[in-house]
Amino acid sequence: QVQLQQSGPGLVKPSQTLSLTCVISGDSVSSNTVAWNWIRQSPSRGLEWLGRTFYRSKWSDDYAESVKSRITIKPDTTKNQFSLQLNSVTPEDTAVYFCAGGYDSSGSAFDPWGPGTMVTVS
Amino acid sequence: EIVLTQSPATLSLSPGERATLSCRASQNVDIYLAWYQQKPGQAPRLLIYDASNRATGIPARFSGTGSGTDFTLTISSLEPEDFAVYYCQQRRNWPLTFGGGTKVEIK
Repeated sequence: QVQLQQSGPGLVKPSQTLSLTCVISGDSVSSNTVAWNWIRQSPSRGLEWLGRTFYRSKWSDDYAESVKSRITIKPDTTKNQFSLQLNSVTPEDTAVYFCAGGYDSSGSAFDPWGPGTMVTVS
Repeated sequence: EIVLTQSPATLSLSPGERATLSCRASQNVDIYLAWYQQKPGQAPRLLIYDASNRATGIPARFSGTGSGTDFTLTISSLEPEDFAVYYCQQRRNWPLTFGGGTKVEIK
């Protein structure tokens, strides 16, 4: 059973960098049948997919246009985890941030999910 | 960007009743639509992927139908634990997008 556990600060100052980590248990970050995603949720924007990293003979990533200039999602194979960095944050980046897996066998739908981290930009 | 519109915004029903939730896409998404359930303070949980496939461990009372632009999630007989918010999500086009949600509340 794959489980995801998130860590990172809950408060970030405007213009600084938001950094979160998602630790994977029960599978490998380098598995070639899954993509590792970051998604956020806020009252104003609802659920918003931010981006993903995945390994298919080489590492690749995809990002939402809305954050593409500010976001990096990176795998860490030594710790079996992946991370989110969002630069130059503003109060509009205040949200609950989730990591989630997307397996090919379930149509790349998001499952499982991490518990979420409430991040306030202030 | 594909916009997913869910209706109704709120559905007030009693346990044992049938719930029918709608998700309409602004463009064709073929069958590439998923449904999630979210309870307060929790992450969403995958119910249905690719329009009609139940995820592992999801009870048979949950079913999904549709293709193209019109999709339906049906809960055949509501259990107390089914009162929650439900979201649809498409993977046909970038960016991946979610609907605004339907809240199923106890009448």
